[in-house]
Amino acid sequence: AQKITQTQPGMFVQEKEAVTLDCTYDTSDPSYGLFWYKQPSSGEMIFLIYQGSYDQQNATEGRYSLNFQKARKSANLVISASQLGDSAMYFCAMRPRARSGNTPLVFGKGTRLSVIA
Amino acid sequence: DSGVTQTPKHLITATGQRVTLRCSPRSGDLSVYWYQQSLDQGLQFLIQYYNGEERAKGNILERFSAQQFPDLHSELNLSSLELGDSALYFCASSVVGSGPPYEQYFGPGTRLTVT
Repeated sequence: AQKITQTQPGMFVQEKEAVTLDCTYDTSDPSYGLFWYKQPSSGEMIFLIYQGSYDQQNATEGRYSLNFQKARKSANLVISASQLGDSAMYFCAMRPRARSGNTPLVFGKGTRLSVIA
Repeated sequence: DSGVTQTPKHLITATGQRVTLRCSPRSGDLSVYWYQQSLDQGLQFLIQYYNGEERAKGNILERFSAQQFPDLHSELNLSSLELGDSALYFCASSVVGSGPPYEQYFGPGTRLTVT
């Protein structure tokens, strides 16, 4: 069975600083995909970034980057130059069989990020 | 706006009642997923439909059922409601096409309150 662990229930970061949100995962599948979603206080889930288990390079999307360490089974999200609008819940998720688009996601419990002015 | 629509946005009902949540996926997406988000259980996968057929089942109670119609919209039916069913219910859709990431696009959710 797949499992996602996010050990930081809450994090604080100063505006314009970088912050790392931790995510470790457990799976026996040789191929899998890792996702990060953002959930603002309004409730919607917003896709941020994706990393495939066979991808050679760490994923980047604007101010978001994924620090993927396959041997450690970790996929930490790095947000650079934090903004007040980054305050939200952040969820790490995994989909087994990365090359199949037709499987549900397994989510971690989330980390609440608060950006301080 | 993800392109996934869910109605209603809020629903308040009493224990023992039955409700129906509706979801319209993004245009062209054949897969629809239902997730439940509660404070104690987090985000849990309930059920998935692909092009009208049930594809995968997660932690869905027997009191809950779902279906996907020929126009690809989906409905989640919750019956004999209990206080513990109060949660945010998300529908998500994804395209199954040329390659990863096949990210899932989430609707705004239906907040169900059972009193």
